[in-house]
Parts: sequence; C-alpha cells; structure tokens
Amino acid sequence: AQSVTQPDIHITVSEGASLELRCNYSYGATPYLFWYVQSPGQGLQLLLKYFSGDTLVQGIKGFEAEFKRSQSSFNLRKPSVHWSDAAEYFCAVGVTGTASKLTFGTGTRLQVTL
Amino acid sequence: DAGVIQSPRHEVTEMGQEVTLRCKPISGHDYLFWYRQTMMRGLELLIYFNNNVPIDDSGMPEDRFSAKMPNASFSTLKIQPSEPRDSAVYFCASSLMGGGGGELFFGEGSRLTVL
Repeated sequence: AQSVTQPDIHITVSEGASLELRCNYSYGATPYLFWYVQSPGQGLQLLLKYFSGDTLVQGIKGFEAEFKRSQSSFNLRKPSVHWSDAAEYFCAVGVTGTASKLTFGTGTRLQVTL
Repeated sequence: DAGVIQSPRHEVTEMGQEVTLRCKPISGHDYLFWYRQTMMRGLELLIYFNNNVPIDDSGMPEDRFSAKMPNASFSTLKIQPSEPRDSAVYFCASSLMGGGGGELFFGEGSRLTVL
C-alpha cells in the first residue's frame, strides 16, 4: 500500500524568506502526487498536482513542487513567503485505479513571523 | 458553483445520541468522499461513492457508522450511537475524475463533539 511521510510537523519562517516543505512517498510505480493547503476552520484546497511529464510543477499562490523519483520525494517550495501562507500543508498520493482515493500525510503546520 | 456544502458546521451531542452529517457535492461530480480528521490520526478516508454507489467502505471504523447517497446531490454520514472518541472534523469531498487523478474539492467540514 502507498504511504506518505511529512517529516516536519511544524515549521516557522519569516515573511519574505524561502520555504521548502518535505514530502516522501512510498509506492511501487509512478504515483499521482498532490499538495493541499488547509487554513484554520476550512477544508483543504489543492495547491498543485503531478501526474506525469515535467517533474517541476507550478501551482497556485506562487507555489511549486518537484518530483524526484530517485528520492521518492515531492517537496513543496515557495521563494518568498507571505504572512497569508500560514496554514497546514498536506502532501497526498493517489494511485491508478483507485478513483482519487488519496492517502494523505500527517501535515506540516507553517507559521510565518513578521 | 457554491462548492461542496456540509451541514451542520458544528455539532455537540451527548454520548449515545444519533448524529447525522450531510453533504451536497458539486453538481456534475460523480465521486463523493467522506474523510475524518483528528489530531491523532490525521485525515482518514472513511468511504467513497461513485455514481451514488458505495465503492470502498473499508475505512469506516465500525458498524456504528453508516453512509448513504440516495441521489447525486446528497449524502449522509450517520453515527449511531455516538461515542466521545468519534469527536473529530468530518469532511466531505467530491471529484469529477477517477483513477487517482482527480482533484478533490472539500467542504468546510463538520466539527463533531461528543460529550
């Protein structure tokens, strides 16, 4: 079965600093990979997704992620963080034939200091 | 579109009572998912439907939980009887495409507290 690991539970960065959130997955073939963001009291919103092709994917709100097959990773990056980016970020993996049945990581809570 | 609509947003009940959570998916989406979120276990998929038919309910914790989707625009998740350990945020999500490639659109969740 597939699994997702987000090793960082909580990260604090200063506004304007760069950000990288880590995500490692376990799956025997090429997975579908997603990053979702959850603001307090809200549901999850898709930031970006990787299905195939270019391993660097662009998402909303200035986020990007890079799929590295050799490292089984799909890290999320942003060059300059804004205070409004403070939220919880979830990496998820989906596999073919399971109809969007995603397995989510435990999430990384991002705090942004001014 | 209004997005996925869930009700109630908050529910406080006493142990042993029946709880019904409701979800209206985005029109035209043919997949519907129920997730539960807790601090201890994170996001867990409980059950999902395709074209109103339950496809995988292996995540449903026990027989106290049941879910139905009588039509394409409505689903319920019922807990009877409720227990304090059921306290969580329950999310409904819908999707247009299957095969692991569809984007999930989440509702704002129903926060359940069982005393």
